[in-house]
This record gives sequence, structure tokens and C-alpha cells, in this order.
Amino acid sequence: GQQLNQSPQSMFIQEGEDVSMNCTSSSIFNTWLWYKQEPGEGPVLLIALYKAGELTSNGRLTAQFGITRKDSFLNISASIPSDVGIYFCAGQLVVGDYQLIWGAGTKLIIKP
Amino acid sequence: NAGVTQTPKFQVLKTGQSMTLQCAQDMNHNSMYWYRQDPGMGLRLIYYSASEGTTDKGEVPNGYNVSRLNKREFSLRLESAAPSQTSVYFCASSDQGEAGELFFGEGSRLTVL
Repeated sequence: GQQLNQSPQSMFIQEGEDVSMNCTSSSIFNTWLWYKQEPGEGPVLLIALYKAGELTSNGRLTAQFGITRKDSFLNISASIPSDVGIYFCAGQLVVGDYQLIWGAGTKLIIKP
Repeated sequence: NAGVTQTPKFQVLKTGQSMTLQCAQDMNHNSMYWYRQDPGMGLRLIYYSASEGTTDKGEVPNGYNVSRLNKREFSLRLESAAPSQTSVYFCASSDQGEAGELFFGEGSRLTVL
């Protein structure tokens, strides 16, 4: 099945560093979403984006809906230990589609 | 606030055995979903129920059946488990108008020997 290209696969960062990750596709998406999954838990929605070019923040997290509608970016500023986890992007191809397309995830690890 | 509750959290089966994963949500959501998560592959949709009384196949439905028992409950059944079905299973729900904004349960880890 179709999958989004999410990169990087993993990141080792120092506390306080800024983090950037992205998702790309050859298809045009109607909606982009970013989820975070912590060990032993289900994914939790962080940010939802509905318009091309949209820039949305949630605390230290900022996500953008790419202007081409084929990509999205997530930035985390001044990372802290509780940011560790796996970040997933997901996209909805058409309005009303119940099937999201998911990236494989970016695992964020903070070096002690 | 319970949200989405899945049972059991862990299960070990032998090849050929059957089992049902249960899911219930208390948010009055119309839509419910079953996903499986395998390492390095993200989430793959098995079945979904857009509203009470309807179910539809997702990306990987083979080997599974579902029942939308009522608005709150959506179960996933493995009739004859295979080792390829070893995975973590997640139930999710959404308000029909909230495209893609899913609320997930904590997951059920299934091992098939």
C-alpha cells in the first residue's frame, strides 16, 4: 500500500536542541496530521493541518502544510526529555476518506 | 475519562487458535478503526466502521473479521491465527466530521506461536 516517506528514521539529540522532521509524497494530500507515540501507548494527535501553506503551533511544536500539498514538516524547539518517542505523520488524500496514509515514524532519542 | 479501552492488553496464541480483541469508546464518536503496527512500517488499517451498522475493509483485512456491536463497541476477530498476525493492534475512534483526528487505545500486543 501507499506510504509516506518520513525522515529521518531516528534522531539522537542533546536536550535543548531544535528538531526537524518531514514527510513527503508523490501524491497531493487534503489533510496532514502529526502524532506522537510513547512506549506502551497509542499515538496521540499533536497537530492537524488543513490548508496548503498553513503553519500551526502547539507549544514548542510547529508544523507546516507544504505549499505543493505533497509534504509536511514538524519542528520541535528546545527539546526536553519528555519529547522522546516516535513521531508519525499521516495524510488524508481526499475529503471524507476514512483511510489515512501513514509514515513509518521518526524515533526521537535524547542523549543524556 | 476512559477514552478508548482495549482488551486484552497482551495475548499469546498458538497457530490456528481464534480470539477476539474488544474495543469500546466513551466519546460518542461515530467512526471506529482497527490498525496493526509492525516495526518500521507505521500503522496499517485493517477494518473501519464509518458509523454504527457499517464496516469496511482497510489496507490489510485478510485473516480478520470485525463487528460493530453498537455505537460504543467495535471488535476484531482472528478466526485462525497465523504467526504473520503477531503485531500490536490499536483501536481508534473519531468524530465523523474530524477528518483524521483519531483517538487511540493503548494497544493489544498479540503473539502467535
